[in-house]
Amino acid sequence: AQSVAQPEDQVNVAEGNPLTVKCTYSVSGNPYLFWYVQYPNRGLQFLLKYITGDNLVKGSYGFEAEFNKSQTSFHLKKPSALVSDSALYFCAVRDSGGSYIPTFGRGTSLIVHP
Amino acid sequence: GAGVSQTPSNKVTEKGKYVELRCDPISGHTALYWYRQSLGQGPEFLIYFQGTGAADDSGLPNDRFFAVRPEGSVSTLKIQRTERGDSAVYLCASSSRDRDTQYFGPGTRLTVL
Repeated sequence: AQSVAQPEDQVNVAEGNPLTVKCTYSVSGNPYLFWYVQYPNRGLQFLLKYITGDNLVKGSYGFEAEFNKSQTSFHLKKPSALVSDSALYFCAVRDSGGSYIPTFGRGTSLIVHP
Repeated sequence: GAGVSQTPSNKVTEKGKYVELRCDPISGHTALYWYRQSLGQGPEFLIYFQGTGAADDSGLPNDRFFAVRPEGSVSTLKIQRTERGDSAVYLCASSSRDRDTQYFGPGTRLTVL
């Protein structure tokens, strides 16, 4: 079985400050991990993924995420938040030995205040 | 280029009616996925096509739900005898050889009255 937890329903940050959106996962084998962003009335947009290799993954719009195997975490980060980053963020995981179907978390609403 | 498109963007129907939701994937993408997203939840997998065949339909909640992709491109999700609990946003995604990068459409918001 595979599952994802996003412990925060909402994250508030001031523009220009660093942001972190948390994600922890559970899989039987090796994890493939993903972050997607959803703007209002829009579909999900792919941000980044971890398959293998460097634990720090860089993605779109200046976002990055760090894979931590011992803590089973894959937190999303950005050094300096923009008001336009305000959106819903979804973490997802799939087992590398399983099907191509990821399991998504419930999402975290990021609000960046001017 | 064009992304994944879904029609209609909104669908309001009455309990017990039949509905069809359409997905046009990115041209050339062989894999197509349907998800359902309820308010306050992440996308929930329904069915996955590889080409014309359903490679995995384990997420379909019951036999009222059915999906087809007869020519390996456009897909239609069909829901019979709709129930109020079917109200959600239905998302479609497609991917190329890199199955781990899915491109999502804007979704169809289904409301069953």
